[in-house]
Amino acid sequence: SQTIHQWPATLVQPVGSPLSLECTVEGTSNPNLYWYRQAAGRGLQLLFYSVGIGQISSEVPQNLSASRPQDRQFILSSKKLLLSDSGFYLCAWSIDWGRYNEQFFGPGTRLTVL
Amino acid sequence: DQQVKQNSPSLSVQEGRISILNCDYTNSMFDYFLWYKKYPAEGPTFLISISSIKDKNEDGRFTVFLNKSAKHLSLHIVPSQPGDSAVYFCAASDNAGGTSYGKLTFGQGTILTVHP
Repeated sequence: SQTIHQWPATLVQPVGSPLSLECTVEGTSNPNLYWYRQAAGRGLQLLFYSVGIGQISSEVPQNLSASRPQDRQFILSSKKLLLSDSGFYLCAWSIDWGRYNEQFFGPGTRLTVL
Repeated sequence: DQQVKQNSPSLSVQEGRISILNCDYTNSMFDYFLWYKKYPAEGPTFLISISSIKDKNEDGRFTVFLNKSAKHLSLHIVPSQPGDSAVYFCAASDNAGGTSYGKLTFGQGTILTVHP
């Protein structure tokens, strides 16, 4: 069966510090990978998606970047965090079985920027 | 532009009664719709889905209805249980073009509280 891991679970960082959040998927190959952010009281906003190694698409302009160095590894980064980067970050995966695909989410990382 | 909207931020229901969660969308290209359930500090869990070729899909206590002409879908939970208390997100996807890469557009979520 497939599993998705995210770490760390919680993170408190000062403004201006760098960020690296990691997501890995097990039990599947060549998944589509996604990074979402849920700000306080808001819905899920898609930040980045990737359909293969080294292929990253950004959905919204922002202070963050993403990379996919391996097939089942997705990393969210920032060189200098802003207060507005605080939120709950979720990684998700899906497989192109055909026309209709569910996404499956990891446990999330709670980021607080002070 | 919010393409998927959940206009009710919260819903409170008595245990054993029906919970009805609503969702509206504006993009007529959406052809696949999903509901997710989310507990605090956890990732969303896939609940049920429906494709645009159907108007109803049922899975145990959960039924999703799709009204394409009204661009409206709803999730019915019968009977509601206290363990159903969570945030429910509806999501939509446009797969027909073959280039959506499985991307989903989410609504803002509805907090469901089921009282014992």
